[in-house]
Amino acid sequence: EAGVTQFPSHSVIEKGQTVTLRCDPISGHDNLYWYRRVMGKEIKFLLHFVKESKQDESGMPNNRFLAERTGGTYSTLKVQPAELEDSGVYFCASRRYSGNTIYFGEGSWLTVV
Amino acid sequence: KQEVTQIPAALSVPEGENLVLNCSFTDSAIYNLQWFRQDPGKGLTSLLLIQSSQREQTSGRLNASLDKSSGRSTLYIAASQPGDSATYLCAVLTNQGGKLIFGQGTELSVKP
Repeated sequence: EAGVTQFPSHSVIEKGQTVTLRCDPISGHDNLYWYRRVMGKEIKFLLHFVKESKQDESGMPNNRFLAERTGGTYSTLKVQPAELEDSGVYFCASRRYSGNTIYFGEGSWLTVV
Repeated sequence: KQEVTQIPAALSVPEGENLVLNCSFTDSAIYNLQWFRQDPGKGLTSLLLIQSSQREQTSGRLNASLDKSSGRSTLYIAASQPGDSATYLCAVLTNQGGKLIFGQGTELSVKP
């Protein structure tokens, strides 16, 4: 069974540009989460999808961030326009509907210069 | 508001030592607590998950305990090895459908 996969693994963009991160959860996992870790800080929750619906987006920092999960399969997280403080690691995670364990991807490492 | 704290932030030990990593949380109303491992440049690997009704979980040389009333968990690593070097993260799940709240992690270095 494939794990949670994220693309790209690393991205370097200039301030003001747009970046789109993609996450493919484990097949059959209804719950999909986005988290991020910026330099020197703890990993923080961004948002939670149940299938294609946003269950909780209380962690989204501002309206430059847009997450989608059309069809309830993979998800994208777009940052537009990117700012320097957006640099960090963006983790995606998924969980089966009735499961307890949350499985994380390897992260998308974003550097904004 | 739930806050998770991990002490120490960094730890260096010689190979073979037993060690304890600490995690504390401010709100005892948790669903479960997980310990993760993160290797440099890699994702998070779940090590142990303790449900709120449990006191401890064991996997190989790892043992995690949970004391909900005092808001504490410990991760005990027996006979440490250089391959155990990584960042260890503690996270609490606020409710079954909720989000994980992470501590800042403990960076462990085991010297040969």
